[in-house]
Amino acid sequence: AQSVTQLGSHVSVSEGALVLLRCNYSSSVPPYLFWYVQYPNQGLQLLLKYTTGATLVKGINGFEAEFKKSETSFHLTKPSAHMSDAAEYFCAIEGIQGAQKLVFGQGTRLTINP
Amino acid sequence: DTAVSQTPKYLVTQMGNDKSIKCEQNLGHDTMYWYKQDSKKFLKIMFSYNNKELIINETVPNRFSPKSPDKAHLNLHINSLELGDSAVYFCASSKDGNEQFFGPGTRLTVL
Repeated sequence: AQSVTQLGSHVSVSEGALVLLRCNYSSSVPPYLFWYVQYPNQGLQLLLKYTTGATLVKGINGFEAEFKKSETSFHLTKPSAHMSDAAEYFCAIEGIQGAQKLVFGQGTRLTINP
Repeated sequence: DTAVSQTPKYLVTQMGNDKSIKCEQNLGHDTMYWYKQDSKKFLKIMFSYNNKELIINETVPNRFSPKSPDKAHLNLHINSLELGDSAVYFCASSKDGNEQFFGPGTRLTVL
């Protein structure tokens, strides 16, 4: 079975500081990995995804993530936090390619301090 | 241009009632999904349909019954509502197993 663990249910950073949201996965097959963002009272929006190929993936709003197979990780980063980045972030895995079944982590709430 | 829409946005009802949530997508996608997000923000898939056929049915009480009248619609009917059904329900759609697009959610409160 596939699973995702997000380390830290709440991360707080200052505006302009580095954002690092951690995600580790477990999968018996090569995974597809995703990061979604959820703004208050809204649905989920895809930030970026890794399927195959380049392990450093760039997404929207200046976010990027690196797939590290040896560490079974897919951490999300942004060099400089902006107040508008405050939201809930979800890491997800599609462990059986094409199964179209996303398994989500428990989410990380990102707070930006002025 | 609304891609994935859900109605209603909020639903407050009494225990034991039957209610439906509707979902429509205008993206031309062939697969639609229902997810449940509990009070701790945990998201879990409930069902998915591909071209009106059920392909994923997670361990969900049979009080929950999805209905897909056509490729663009996937409705969720819930019988005999219980307190534990209170959650936010998200509809999503995708094409050929690619990126899933989510609707805005329906917040269901069972009193």
